[in-house]
Amino acid sequence: EAGVAQSPRYKIIEKRQSVAFWCNPISGHATLYWYQQILGQGPKLLIQFQNNGVVDDSQLPKDRFSAERLKGVDSTLKIQPAKLEDSAVYLCASSPATGALTEAFFGQGTRLTVV
Amino acid sequence: AQSVTQLDSQVPVFEEAPVELRCNYSSSVSVYLFWYVQYPNQGLQLLLKYLSGSTLVKGINGFEAEFNKSQTSFHLRKPSVHISDTAEYFCAVSPPWGNNDMRFGAGTRLTVKP
Repeated sequence: EAGVAQSPRYKIIEKRQSVAFWCNPISGHATLYWYQQILGQGPKLLIQFQNNGVVDDSQLPKDRFSAERLKGVDSTLKIQPAKLEDSAVYLCASSPATGALTEAFFGQGTRLTVV
Repeated sequence: AQSVTQLDSQVPVFEEAPVELRCNYSSSVSVYLFWYVQYPNQGLQLLLKYLSGSTLVKGINGFEAEFNKSQTSFHLRKPSVHISDTAEYFCAVSPPWGNNDMRFGAGTRLTVKP
């Protein structure tokens, strides 16, 4: 079974530029998550989709971050404009669950450096 | 809302020694508990999980954890560590209903020395 795929693996941009990350979850998984992991910290949930609808985006900085999951499969996370404090690893995860979460499968992440 | 506290940010240990990584959670209701491992430049891999039933949970790579409801703890243990166990370990919690989001602790860096 193929895992969660993310691209790119690394990205370096200047502040105020825009950037987009892509995630392809495990086939058939209904729920998709984007997490932000700042160096030295645990992952923080940014947004959660169930199929193509948003379940929770309460911690997404909506003035600069946006995310979509077209057709309930792939997802894109965008930052525009980026700030220095956005430097982090962005992790995508998926789960087959639409009810209680019994396991989430993570991709390798995209490491973003904003200079 | 649930939250997780990992009591040690770094744990150095010698190879073949036992190790315990501590995790406490805060919740007024029942929870699901998880331990994930993250190797350098990799995503998170599930080590083990507690959903219900036996409080002693066995996972991959020889790790186990014990759920203690009275102490709201879910400590991770391994009787004999290897160099390859050097990694970041995250404890996480999620509610058994609702939006099923997973909340993580800050992580414990386990360094196994020869």
